[in-house]
Amino acid sequence: ILNVEQSPQSLHVQEGDSTNFTCSFPSSNFYALHWYRWETAKSPEALFVMTLNGDEKKKGRISATLNTKEGYSYLYIKGSQPEDSATYLCAVNNDYKLSFGAGTTVTVRA
Amino acid sequence: DAGVIQSPRHEVTEMGQEVTLRCKPISGHDYLFWYRQTMMRGLELLIYFNNNVPIDDSGMPEDRFSAKMPNASFSTLKIQPSEPRDSAVYFCASSFAGPSSGGSYEQYFGPGTRLTVT
Repeated sequence: ILNVEQSPQSLHVQEGDSTNFTCSFPSSNFYALHWYRWETAKSPEALFVMTLNGDEKKKGRISATLNTKEGYSYLYIKGSQPEDSATYLCAVNNDYKLSFGAGTTVTVRA
Repeated sequence: DAGVIQSPRHEVTEMGQEVTLRCKPISGHDYLFWYRQTMMRGLELLIYFNNNVPIDDSGMPEDRFSAKMPNASFSTLKIQPSEPRDSAVYFCASSFAGPSSGGSYEQYFGPGTRLTVT
């Protein structure tokens, strides 16, 4: 099991503002990093899977970057909307297991 | 496809009873994962299967927990006897291409089973 840390644990953002948060992980034996979006009372939904150093992925207003050498990834939300309110989970696998971080819970205020 | 299907969605049982959770993965997916989500420990992997064969069960908390996958479309997670500390949400997930493909696979999660043991 890898030590995956996410920060902050929670954040509040005003509708229309942009925000970002971090996932840190051990850089050795890295395979892939996953971002999941988890809404209350639903199941985690895959956003991105990233494997290469310098990778950038984008889905609508949400984007992510990956630095495998220093062991971190950023998730960005541009122009936050109330529907972006969710817990964003980061997970890393080195050889065969996904290790999840505790998540960053984002609350967008209208 | 209907996605990953889990049943029941909610289970309330008394301590000492046997509990069986069920999962139907997405058709064609060859990996199946069982996770447990608690406030204290977050989302943790219990066991996973590849082509119906258990590959790693090191996350299974103790011998009271067992999991089977008799065929490609069905898996069970059994707790016998159940204890109050087993109360959690149990998720099943499946994926098409597992770790051998470099780990660049997405896992698709079911809706979860919320287990309460009194």
